[in-house]
Amino acid sequence: AIRMTQSPSSFSASTGDRVTITCRASQGISSYLAWYQQKPGKAPKLLIYAASTLQSGVPSRFSGSGSGTDFTLTISCLQSEDFATYYCQQYYSYPRTFGQGTKLEIK
Amino acid sequence: EVQLVESGGGLVQPGGSLRLSCAASGFTFSSYSMNWVRQAPGKGLEWVSYISSSSSTIYYADSVKGRFTISRDNAKNSLYLQMNSLRAEDTAVYYCARDSVSYYGYYMDVWGKGTTVTVSS
Repeated sequence: AIRMTQSPSSFSASTGDRVTITCRASQGISSYLAWYQQKPGKAPKLLIYAASTLQSGVPSRFSGSGSGTDFTLTISCLQSEDFATYYCQQYYSYPRTFGQGTKLEIK
Repeated sequence: EVQLVESGGGLVQPGGSLRLSCAASGFTFSSYSMNWVRQAPGKGLEWVSYISSSSSTIYYADSVKGRFTISRDNAKNSLYLQMNSLRAEDTAVYYCARDSVSYYGYYMDVWGKGTTVTVSS
């Protein structure tokens, strides 16, 4: 199985900050990567697919980049509603695998 | 409105069985492949199983292979997960999730709110 490793595991930031979360795959996955946001007690929400394509309705302050093994999710100007846990997930091969998550907390 | 609604969760003893259902609405269910994803309390997301639109292709995570069976009824717009020989480590919120397709493969774009399964004596 392809292992997905996110960093950092948790992070404190302030509203207005620019934040970058990284995700590394244990083998090349081309651009078969999605990013999800999850708030406590809620289902995950798709933010980005194909590594850099913004899902419809997602604010443009979210962006994704990378291909192969190294990927990033950037939030350009943190809003209060962005404090949540973020997961990357590869869909290059089965089993589909998620990163362990990055919890973004208010500083 | 595109919607997925899971049901069937509950408390079950170790070794027991449970059948989860996911009712789809607002889209042509028979055109989409579907997945089950779970999340143990306080833990991350774990993909569980995949079924193609016609049920011709099915995949399972190693952790559930041989114990869980995914199926669907396109006439009823429903997805199912039959869970047998349940273990404490199967305790989780179970989500159904729809696949959409891009140039770069299938990704899960619509999720239900989840149903909770607790395996305990």
